[in-house]
Amino acid sequence: QKEVEQDPGPLSVPEGAIVSLNCTYSNSAFQYFMWYRQYSRKGPELLMYTYSSGNKEDGRFTAQVDKSSKYISLFIRDSQPSDSATYLCAMRSGGYQKVTFGTGTKLQVIP
Amino acid sequence: KAGVTQTPRYLIKTRGQQVTLSCSPISGHRSVSWYQQTPGQGLQFLFEYFSETQRNKGNFPGRFSGRQFSNSRSEMNVSTLELGDSALYLCASSPGQGNMDAGNTIYFGEGSWLTVV
Repeated sequence: QKEVEQDPGPLSVPEGAIVSLNCTYSNSAFQYFMWYRQYSRKGPELLMYTYSSGNKEDGRFTAQVDKSSKYISLFIRDSQPSDSATYLCAMRSGGYQKVTFGTGTKLQVIP
Repeated sequence: KAGVTQTPRYLIKTRGQQVTLSCSPISGHRSVSWYQQTPGQGLQFLFEYFSETQRNKGNFPGRFSGRQFSNSRSEMNVSTLELGDSALYLCASSPGQGNMDAGNTIYFGEGSWLTVV
C-alpha cells in the first residue's frame, strides 16, 4: 500500500464548477501538507501549504486537512480553463524528512 | 528572485551510457532534492543534499548518485543507463533549516527530460 493515495482521474468539469481533489495517507507522522499544480511538460508549482487540521483559504483555493481521518482536500471555486493541469498532493513529517507525493489528479476544465 | 534552474532541459542517451544533470537552487537555499517523475510511478524521491552532505536518500539503485557543491549547486549522475530510466528529473530547493513554515517547503525547477534509447 502506498503511503499517499490519490485518484489519478482524469476529472473533467465545466467552467465555473467547484472542483474537489482529495488524497488519503497512511503515515500518521505526516504533519505538513502541500498542494502543487503541474502544467504539461513543466515543473510542479506550489499552490497551498498547511500545517495541522482545518481549512486554509487563498483566493479561489481552499485546502482542508483532517488528520483524524488522514484525509486532505483541495477545493477550487469558479474553476477556469487555465486551472486545467495535474494536481499533486504532498506531505512530510517533522524535521527535514523527504516529501512524499501522491501520483496526481489530472483536471480538465471545459469552457 | 531567480527560481530553480536545471540543465539540460532535454537530452537523449543510449542504453549503457551515463548522464549528468545540473541544478542551481534559489539563492540562499541550502537544500537540494532530486525526484524522478514517470507516468506510472509519479514523483519518486531520489535524494536530498544539505550543505554538501546527503541528508536523505530514496530507494533507488546505486547507479543514481548525486553531489552538492559549496555554492549549493547540485548534480546528479546516472550510470549504465537503462530504458526504464527515461523520465523527467526534477530538482527542488528549499532553505533546509529554520522554522517549518510555508517558506521552508520545496520549490521545483522545470526539470530535465531524459530519453534513453
